[in-house]
Amino acid sequence: DVKVTQSSRYLVKRTGEKVFLECVQDMDHENMFWYRQDPGLGLRLIYFSYDVKMKEKGDIPEGYSVSREKKERFSLILESASTNQTSMYLCASSLVPVGKNIQYFGAGTRLSVL
Amino acid sequence: AQKVTQAQTEISVVEKEDVTLDCVYETRDTTYYLFWYKQPPSGELVFLIRRNSFDEQNEISGRYSWNFQKSTSSFNFTITASQVVDSAVYFCALSEAYTGRRALTFGSGTRLQVQP
Repeated sequence: DVKVTQSSRYLVKRTGEKVFLECVQDMDHENMFWYRQDPGLGLRLIYFSYDVKMKEKGDIPEGYSVSREKKERFSLILESASTNQTSMYLCASSLVPVGKNIQYFGAGTRLSVL
Repeated sequence: AQKVTQAQTEISVVEKEDVTLDCVYETRDTTYYLFWYKQPPSGELVFLIRRNSFDEQNEISGRYSWNFQKSTSSFNFTITASQVVDSAVYFCALSEAYTGRRALTFGSGTRLQVQP
């Protein structure tokens, strides 16, 4: 079974802090994704990576950056956390090609920024 | 641009009732994929089904069935004889096979509550 592991289920941070959300997958998938989930808005794509050190902006990249130094690990970085970044963050991975293949999700990290 | 609409925000049924979750999509591509995911209270999205745009056959898996109609751009999901364990948020999603964005476009989700 594919396993996507997010390092924290719950995080509480203060405004202005630098926040790292970590995601690891164990199936050698090329593609990895970060989504944000808010009530009534579904999941929105923040960033996508199709290879080590490669990334593409999604729909809502502002205030976020990502890092993919190893194939199995994809990190989401909030450079200076703000209260409007309080949300549920979901990591996913898939094989290529992107459109065709199933995305497998982690359990999510619920982030609160105070 | 692609778009997925799940007009039903929340549905509440009593156990053993049948329930249909609606999904309407928009895309300019002729080749695309449609997905349904289940998100139980634990939070992890669980893949349920993938359908490509050239396969309009309905599919049944146990108590679950899916009705794909290109003519109405709909991909509806029916649960027969619902159970409490079906309580979850269900997401419909779309991806274009070769062009456009390289990730899933999700609907806003439908929360299903099955009462005992």
